[in-house]
Amino acid sequence: DTGVSQDPRHKITKRGQNVTFRCDPISEHNRLYWYRQTLGQGPEFLTYFQNEAQLEKSRLLSDRFSAERPKGSFSTLEIQRTEQGDSAMYLCASSLRGEPTYEQYFGPGTRLTVT
Amino acid sequence: GENVEQHPSTLSVQEGDSAVIKCTYSDSASNYFPWYKQELGKGPQLIIDIRSNVGEKKDQRIAVTLNKTAKHFSLHITETQPEDSAVYFCAASLRMDSSYKLIFGSGTRLLVRP
Repeated sequence: DTGVSQDPRHKITKRGQNVTFRCDPISEHNRLYWYRQTLGQGPEFLTYFQNEAQLEKSRLLSDRFSAERPKGSFSTLEIQRTEQGDSAMYLCASSLRGEPTYEQYFGPGTRLTVT
Repeated sequence: GENVEQHPSTLSVQEGDSAVIKCTYSDSASNYFPWYKQELGKGPQLIIDIRSNVGEKKDQRIAVTLNKTAKHFSLHITETQPEDSAVYFCAASLRMDSSYKLIFGSGTRLLVRP
């Protein structure tokens, strides 16, 4: 399978704990995006990497959230001191650099439940 | 800020009938409009997209139309089948400094009755 992969698929944690999610993009894609999706809504943009550089962050990304892509391949998203409002599906997408290639391909997501 | 409105929120059709989902966007600079299908427990799957230099695009049973003047775009599914049942999202691109992000509609839950 050469699509976007995410790990874990499900995570249940207690409020106040830290969690970390991993995303492996399609191998030749150098652009990587994180989105968050709450129940009954469309995905909302969180942050974007081109290679290892984090070039854009949404206002939704509070200081409890941090994302990295250290070698320009896989990425991690960490949430510190989780809150119940963080419960959502966290989606990763990747795309090729260059115009007019715009297509973003999504992974299966990590569903986070904060109790 | 950029906003995408999507209607209807739910749609039930008989197998073999057509389904139409409509979206409206607010940023006139948007120039890329993808549609995603999301099944339960899965990530969104890109099914078709259209760019602003094209008014219509078709791929087998699905087609998209774009009216840039009115800032409307629509998804048309013909000869619907039970496996088309899913949640469909439209999206519009919003330019960032070095790339773009997608602004999604709130989704349409399509049910195809056998």
